[in-house]
Amino acid sequence: EDKVVQSPLSLVVHEGDTVTLNCSYEVTNFRSLLWYKQEKKAPTFLFMLTSSGIEKKSGRLSSILDKKELFSILNITATQTGDSAVYLCADRAYNTDKLIFGTGTRLQVFP
Amino acid sequence: GAGVSQSPSNKVTEKGKDVELRCDPISGHTALYWYRQRLGQGLEFLIYFQGNSAPDKSGLPSDRFSAERTGESVSTLTIQRTQQEDSAVYLCASSPLGGTQYFGPGTRLTVL
Repeated sequence: EDKVVQSPLSLVVHEGDTVTLNCSYEVTNFRSLLWYKQEKKAPTFLFMLTSSGIEKKSGRLSSILDKKELFSILNITATQTGDSAVYLCADRAYNTDKLIFGTGTRLQVFP
Repeated sequence: GAGVSQSPSNKVTEKGKDVELRCDPISGHTALYWYRQRLGQGLEFLIYFQGNSAPDKSGLPSDRFSAERTGESVSTLTIQRTQQEDSAVYLCASSPLGGTQYFGPGTRLTVL
């Protein structure tokens, strides 16, 4: 059965810290891995990764995929209180468009 | 342009009642998805529609759950004879074919 595991479950940091969120996956016929940020109810899209070793970057956020070791990391540098959210990782297989989500990492950034 | 919209935003119902949740996808998106998120959990896939193909219902937890979609437009998720364990946020997403899914704000369902 396809599975996505995220760690840590929660993280508390101070503004300015750098954090690394982890996502490991097991999926048959892997196609892509996605990261979402969920602040209240609606997850908002961050990155989609399909190829190993190619970093995707958006401002202070970056992410990379390792298809050999079956994991991805999401890095946030110089964290701000506005980064406080649940970060969700999901994978998608080739034979379907549905996403399999992990339970998320809850990040809290304090001033 | 307009994003995915869902209604109602909150729904409180009594155990045993039926509820209908509505999703309006982004115009032009051929795919529509329903997910459920229990408190403190990740998103759990329920069902998805892709164009005129038969929907993938593999995530529906019981026969009390059903969903319909009118063409490439509105979808309704129906839960019959609600139970307390159905309490969750129900999220809808839409996407172009094979593209990124964009989520609506969700409906928070509370079954008393």
